[in-house]
Amino acid sequence: AQSVAQPEDQVNVAEGNPLTVKCTYSVSGNPYLFWYVQYPNRGLQFLLKYITGDNLVKGSYGFEAEFNKSQTSFHLKKPSALVSDSALYFCAVRDRDDKIIFGKGTRLHILP
Amino acid sequence: DTEVTQTPKHLVMGMTNKKSLKCEQHMGHRAMYWYKQKAKKPPELMFVYSYEKLSINESVPSRFSPECPNSSLLNLHLHALQPEDSALYLCASSQDYLIRTDTQYFGPGTRLTVL
Repeated sequence: AQSVAQPEDQVNVAEGNPLTVKCTYSVSGNPYLFWYVQYPNRGLQFLLKYITGDNLVKGSYGFEAEFNKSQTSFHLKKPSALVSDSALYFCAVRDRDDKIIFGKGTRLHILP
Repeated sequence: DTEVTQTPKHLVMGMTNKKSLKCEQHMGHRAMYWYKQKAKKPPELMFVYSYEKLSINESVPSRFSPECPNSSLLNLHLHALQPEDSALYLCASSQDYLIRTDTQYFGPGTRLTVL
């Protein structure tokens, strides 16, 4: 079955520092990967997705993600973190049954 | 505009009540979804409507009854719920469910509390 894993429950980063939120995937066939962000008591907001082509995907709010086929990873990155980036981040993969399978989520804390 | 709206924002209901959650999108999307999300957990898929027809029911109890009156609207009718059904209910829409690169856009959710 298709799946994604987010190995960190929480990531703490100082404001202004680069941030990385990790995601690894397990799929058969071509992976279709997504990142969503959820602010407290809100719905999920789409950040970016990987379909094919360039391994570096640029998304909303200055985020980008690097697709690495050999390491089966799709880590979310940002060069300089903002306090307002503090939120819950979900990696997701398109399942063979066309459902979206979410990782368990990683809580990102940006420290002022 | 990638907006999905949901009403109400909050709902408190007793176990004998009947209530409905509403979702609306005007992006011309032909797929709409209901998810249930417990605190600090990922969303769990409940139902998928594709071209106004129910395509997926993830073995959801019959006390949850979805309805898609037209391509822009999605309802979730609630009856005889249990306290463990308390959660954030998220609606989402996407252009076409069968396109593998399709992106889902989520509404802000309805926070449901069952007493």
